[in-house]
Amino acid sequence: QVQLQESGPGLVKPSQTLSLTCSVSGGSISSGSYFWSWIWQPAGKGLEWIGRIYSSGATNYNPSLKSRVTISIDTSKNQFSLRLSSVTAADTAVFYCARGPGYCSGPDCYGYYGMDVWGQGTTVSVSS
Amino acid sequence: IQMTQSPSSLSASVGDSVTISCRASLSIDTYLNWYQQKPGKAPRLLIYGASNLQSGVPSRFGGSGSGTDFTLTISSLQPEDFATYYCQQSYSSSFTFGPGTKVD
Repeated sequence: QVQLQESGPGLVKPSQTLSLTCSVSGGSISSGSYFWSWIWQPAGKGLEWIGRIYSSGATNYNPSLKSRVTISIDTSKNQFSLRLSSVTAADTAVFYCARGPGYCSGPDCYGYYGMDVWGQGTTVSVSS
Repeated sequence: IQMTQSPSSLSASVGDSVTISCRASLSIDTYLNWYQQKPGKAPRLLIYGASNLQSGVPSRFGGSGSGTDFTLTISSLQPEDFATYYCQQSYSSSFTFGPGTKVD
């Protein structure tokens, strides 16, 4: 059974870069049958999708965050990562990683059926 | 693609039938998913592709709709169903969630 686990600093200073890692166990992140996603949730608010990556390295990002976000994948470590630059207090949130069924065909990547496995979430606060 | 949900919250009792609506700002075919989230927990996928029950999800949960209008129905509310429910479109390469509906 695949499990995801987020890790990273719980506190980041304003203007710095937030970095989180999602470790995948019980399955290979190199499988071409999935995409790997990041989602965040500010305290007391709803879910917002950040972006996703495929084992090929292809990515899609939320347009509202695209200028500050990088998602990368390390198949040798079976993990993927999130970097969010120039953080402010508004970036304080619970961050989740998740997996969803998907595939790439040439330059086009697809993921139509939701995200079926989620990490437990990690809280990141932005404060000096 | 913008997603809206109604109502934003509802009060119900055990045994009630509950219906939550989700609307997309443009047609998303049936690429609509539903999640349940309890306080302090990660979301759980309930329904994918508008009407397909995710493995392990009780059959009292059902989804319907296509195009821009979708519905999540809980046929007989159980104590463990009090939670917040989110719809999410996966038609676009940039996913979006609805604002959520709290069932209490």
